[in-house]
Amino acid sequence: EAQVTQNPRYLITVTGKKLTVTCSQNMNHEYMSWYRQDPGLGLRQIYYSMNVEVTDKGDVPEGYKVSRKEKRNFPLILESPSPNQTSLYFCASRKQGVYGYTFGSGTRLTVV
Amino acid sequence: DAKTTQPPSMDCAEGRAANLPCNHSTISGNEYVYWYRQIHSQGPQYIIHGLKNNETNEMASLIITEDRKSSTLILPHATLRDTAVYYCIVRVEAVLLQGSARQLTFGSGTQLTVLP
Repeated sequence: EAQVTQNPRYLITVTGKKLTVTCSQNMNHEYMSWYRQDPGLGLRQIYYSMNVEVTDKGDVPEGYKVSRKEKRNFPLILESPSPNQTSLYFCASRKQGVYGYTFGSGTRLTVV
Repeated sequence: DAKTTQPPSMDCAEGRAANLPCNHSTISGNEYVYWYRQIHSQGPQYIIHGLKNNETNEMASLIITEDRKSSTLILPHATLRDTAVYYCIVRVEAVLLQGSARQLTFGSGTQLTVLP
């Protein structure tokens, strides 16, 4: 089944403890992106990638890192998580030449 | 990208058509209208998009006014599973350009509740 898979679905962690949220797609998509969703603020883009080894900042990149070493994977790294990064995170991908994005099921992160 | 305005909420009876409006009065000639929906806390789902002609697919129809300043998403026979937040997004789509990096900007959307 064609999909975007995020792991974990739920995560509670403590301030300052490095964590990685994985994102993998099996559709050979070029474009991948990370969003966070917060009440009243909608979906905001964190980072995006146009292809392997090509990444750039979105609207709210502070406190996050990404890498795109392989086409299928686009992990989101929080080097030193803080409580203001408590949010619902979505990974999305799209194939060049196709209009619609496919989103993952989301990762609900709580930083205490 | 042009700004969009949607009503915050709407109700629709199950089995009836749901018509969701969107105003985008500042849309420019090369901007597309996209619709996504998000069922509670799940990932957004692409529904349909269009430039100036009306479009239909297996999920919905998109009606764009002749001046392109507004559009309507139509779910012809709404079911309870169509209850979701619906987002209207207007953006330039440089799909055919290598390195296109413009991403989606989601507004507040319309909470559609389908009632039994």
